Amino acid sequence: SAVISQKPSRDICQRGTSLTIQCQVDSQVTMMFWYRQQPGQSLTLIATANQGSEATYESGFVIDKFPISRPNLTFSTLTVSNMSPEDSSIYLCSVEGGEFGPGTRLTVT
Amino acid sequence: DQQVKQNSPSLSVQEGRISILNCDYTNSMFDYFLWYKKYPAEGPTFLISISSIKDKNEDGRFTVFLNKSAKHLSLHIVPSQPGDSAVYFCAARANTDKLIFGTGTRLQVFP
Repeated sequence: SAVISQKPSRDICQRGTSLTIQCQVDSQVTMMFWYRQQPGQSLTLIATANQGSEATYESGFVIDKFPISRPNLTFSTLTVSNMSPEDSSIYLCSVEGGEFGPGTRLTVT
Repeated sequence: DQQVKQNSPSLSVQEGRISILNCDYTNSMFDYFLWYKKYPAEGPTFLISISSIKDKNEDGRFTVFLNKSAKHLSLHIVPSQPGDSAVYFCAARANTDKLIFGTGTRLQVFP
């Protein structure tokens, strides 16, 4: 099974700024996914990132707010843009085998 | 539209007894189901899965049962241990598509 790491593990950011979260996988994977878990909530899929194509966003999520890069088969980034306190969540990347990274805990003040 | 539902937000079980966590789904196209365990501030940890062609899968203390006609699955943990205390999520997917998660059940195992 894939081993996934994320950076940063946590961050506290000011309103209006942007944060880029990195996801690194120890093996090549076709599909990578970005999820969000807001406090007390379930995991919600933000987008699917396939190498060599534009990310596919779920309803309620847009590229301008959550731009995603997928430069190769082992790496992806998610940017949370123009942050507000409502963006305070745990952001998780996942791969097609169902494995998850440890998450990035974001607090926006 | 909640396609995967866990109707019990919490469950409390005595150590050594059986824990049964339930999950219902609405999409008949789902063909693969997974259970995850999650501690606060950590990513979900995969526990056990089941394909729609099976009705039971067992791995140590964990057994997952699938009732396709009822669109229901359950996770049995026996015997329950205090270290099992966590939030458990069921998830489902169609083909190799994205995972849809339930709302989670917080399990507490007390001595």
